[in-house]
Amino acid sequence: AQTVTQSQPEMSVQEAETVTLSCTYDTSESDYYLFWYKQPPSRQMILVIRQEAYKQQNATENRFSVNFQKAAKSFSLKISDSQLGDAAMYFCAYRSNFGNEKLTFGTGTRLTIIP
Amino acid sequence: EADIYQTPRYLVIGTGKKITLECSQTMGHDKMYWYQQDPGMELHLIHYSYGVNSTEKGDLSSESTVSRIRTEHFPLTLESARPSHTSQYLCASGRDLVNEKLFFGSGTQLSVL
Repeated sequence: AQTVTQSQPEMSVQEAETVTLSCTYDTSESDYYLFWYKQPPSRQMILVIRQEAYKQQNATENRFSVNFQKAAKSFSLKISDSQLGDAAMYFCAYRSNFGNEKLTFGTGTRLTIIP
Repeated sequence: EADIYQTPRYLVIGTGKKITLECSQTMGHDKMYWYQQDPGMELHLIHYSYGVNSTEKGDLSSESTVSRIRTEHFPLTLESARPSHTSQYLCASGRDLVNEKLFFGSGTQLSVL
């Protein structure tokens, strides 16, 4: 079974600075997807960024980028120019390309932005 | 704009009551999911559906049941609520395998007294 580990329960960053959230996962599969979701106080989960395992190029979405290290099974999220609206819980998630396609989530990292 | 709706947003109910949590999406997605999330914890999949008349149980054992009679609607029912059912319930939907991005609703916070 796949597992997703987020070792940082809480992180904080100064506004306009850069922060990196860590995520590692364990799988025996070679074809899968990785996601970062943001969950603000409103509790709705919002997709931040998505990475296909077969792509070597790291995904980027505006101020958000990932460092995907397939061999190390690491998938960190970098947030540049942090803004107050980035404050939220961030969940790393794994989804297999086989079977029932369910998402496996990590335990989350609570990100605080310091004005 | 993607839309997925959950009602009610908050529900406080007594033990033994039957409740139904509603989830609807207007995107025509075949795949829909129910996740359970306790405060500060990860999400656990409790039910999913790949289309009309298709329902499966997820990883986390749940006493709830679901139905999928229409593509856009995926309600979750608890026949007899208990305090152990107190949790946040998140509904999600997605389209296809290759380009799937899951869209989540705002959740229902259920408290059983």
